[in-house]
Amino acid sequence: QVQLVESGGGVVQPGRSLRLSCAASGFTFGSYALHWVRQAPGKGLEWVAVIAHDGSNEYYADSVKGRFTISRDKSKNTLSLQMNSLRAEDTAVYYCARSSTMVRGRFDYWGQGTLVTVSS
Amino acid sequence: QSALTQPRSVSGSPGQSVTISCTGTSSDVGVYNYVSWYQHHPGNAPKLMIFDVYKRPSGVPDRFSGSKSGNTASLTISGLQAEDEADYYCCSYAGSSLYVFGTGTKVTVL
Repeated sequence: QVQLVESGGGVVQPGRSLRLSCAASGFTFGSYALHWVRQAPGKGLEWVAVIAHDGSNEYYADSVKGRFTISRDKSKNTLSLQMNSLRAEDTAVYYCARSSTMVRGRFDYWGQGTLVTVSS
Repeated sequence: QSALTQPRSVSGSPGQSVTISCTGTSSDVGVYNYVSWYQHHPGNAPKLMIFDVYKRPSGVPDRFSGSKSGNTASLTISGLQAEDEADYYCCSYAGSSLYVFGTGTKVTVL
């Protein structure tokens, strides 16, 4: 069955960096675009970033552009999110999700999420 | 890109129907037929319930239905059941902004 398992969350000080990972299994990794979506405490879902099925393109929400970098490793079936210059407002549960297309798609499977807390 | 507007909460008794609205703009919901809906039990992974406005993924009960009129999409749950109690989010493709989610609606089964 399709599984997406996030890891790497934790407590980090403002201005520091953190790298999240998402281990994928149960499907052909190279056939799907992959996304990061986050949910701040008490708030709704917010789309963060997407990377194409082959890693050839990536897009970011304005709120993280220039600070976050999404990447994927087909040899390890892993999606990553490098988060730099973290701010308090980046505190959230971060979910990875897949879609069959990079744009105009839907998120058909999600992971359980990993919590990132940005605090001094 | 502002979040799509959903009611904070809706409620209904078992067997009743509830409808959740999702209001966007002519840059997202109003122009694209790529609206999806997600059920989220806190602590669990969100689950896709509706895509492309009205299509249901395999395994989703036909009690769940979607529609759209103008800038507003809607999710209707008919024959409400206890397990339907959850948070629900709409999402629309939004062109250059890619994707925008709704503010979320808590469904309570009385």
